[in-house]
Amino acid sequence: EIVMTQSPATLSVSPGERVTLSCRASESVSNNLAWYQQKPGQAPRLLISRASTRATGIAVRFSGSGSGTEFTLTISSLQSEDFAVYYCQQYHYWPPATFGQGTRVEIK
Amino acid sequence: QVQLEQSGGGVVQPGRSLTVSCAASGFTFNSHAFHWVRQAPGKGLEWVAVISNDGIIKQYGDSVKGRFSISRDSSKKTVDLQMKSLRSEDTAVYYCARDANEGTGHFDYWGQGTLVTVSS
Repeated sequence: EIVMTQSPATLSVSPGERVTLSCRASESVSNNLAWYQQKPGQAPRLLISRASTRATGIAVRFSGSGSGTEFTLTISSLQSEDFAVYYCQQYHYWPPATFGQGTRVEIK
Repeated sequence: QVQLEQSGGGVVQPGRSLTVSCAASGFTFNSHAFHWVRQAPGKGLEWVAVISNDGIIKQYGDSVKGRFSISRDSSKKTVDLQMKSLRSEDTAVYYCARDANEGTGHFDYWGQGTLVTVSS
């Protein structure tokens, strides 16, 4: 099973700041990596697939990069609605599809 | 628009059974595989099961293998997760999720979630 590790666990930022979240896979997953956003009491929402392709309706301030074992989700200018938990997920070797433990982005 | 409407869930005693359901609308049901993903209270996401678009292939996570069963009904456009021999560690919000594209293993639409609590 591929283990996904996200860092940091929590990120305290101010609105308007640039945010970078990291995700590492225990072995190469090529570009088969997705990012999800989850707000309290809501289901996750797909942001990025294939490491860098924004899902339908996702704002351009969200971007993804990386391949192999190292991936990054960047929010270019954090908006109030972006405070949430972000999960990465590999789908290169599945089942099982595996998720990182999440990064919480909170208001500074 | 794509909708996944979940039902079922609730409180159940350890060792008992429960079924959660997911009704799909707004897209071609038979073109997509479906997954169940769960989230224990205050925890992260755990993949549970998948069923292929034709219902033939079914796969499960190790923690539920032999106890949970996934099924689909193309006439009703529903996906069910039957859970047997429930344990306290199965307590979680269960989400159904549509596979994004031809069984790739990631999820483009999610249901609203349904809470299953296993407790005596």
